[in-house]
Amino acid sequence: DADVTQTPRNRITKTGKRIMLECSQTKGHDRMYWYRQDPGLGLQLIYYSFDVKDINKGEISDGYSVSRQAQAKFSLSLESAIPNQTALYFCATSDHRSDTGELFFGEGSRLTVL
Amino acid sequence: GQNIDQPTEMTATEGAIVQINCTYQTSGFNGLFWYQQHAGEAPTFLSYNVLDGLEEKGRFSSFLSRSKGYSYLLLKELQMKDSASYLCAAMDSNYQLIWGAGTKLIIKP
Repeated sequence: DADVTQTPRNRITKTGKRIMLECSQTKGHDRMYWYRQDPGLGLQLIYYSFDVKDINKGEISDGYSVSRQAQAKFSLSLESAIPNQTALYFCATSDHRSDTGELFFGEGSRLTVL
Repeated sequence: GQNIDQPTEMTATEGAIVQINCTYQTSGFNGLFWYQQHAGEAPTFLSYNVLDGLEEKGRFSSFLSRSKGYSYLLLKELQMKDSASYLCAAMDSNYQLIWGAGTKLIIKP
């Protein structure tokens, strides 16, 4: 089983719908992140959380919100989806004790907004 | 502004050596990362450099020059399974990662 699990893996929805992407991890890491990946662009940080009570906006947070329900769970919501939010979304974790700050990624959630 | 530049695509032959370059401009610097991403899969960590010089890890090596804002990933004895995208990312003074768009490496027999 994957250490960082994302659900759903694939989702097709319509403009204006509310969507939630969920991420859970069994690595015991304190830090969690949501990224989106678009063809020809680098990974872009949406939101990140360094512990349960800590939520921070990334470079492209507009149109998104997050919830850190527990140390192991970090969900991303699109309140009213729009077509330019069509992308591959990755959840990632890291451990503040790590020498390198290495990120561990989930398998990705491919979202299509029609 | 902050920026990472790396080639979009490279082609190499099985068994050969390839060097993937990355230049970066960031507000402050706290390290340079390389990740490998196979098509349709998640990125996986390859290397981290924070000091100048070469770090070797099996068939893969990573080099950093902080004064030049430059890094490269060297892959030796290429195998077909090395066909993937290689992502360069620099960590700025706020410990945020700035990602390049990735270099797609195509390995030919």
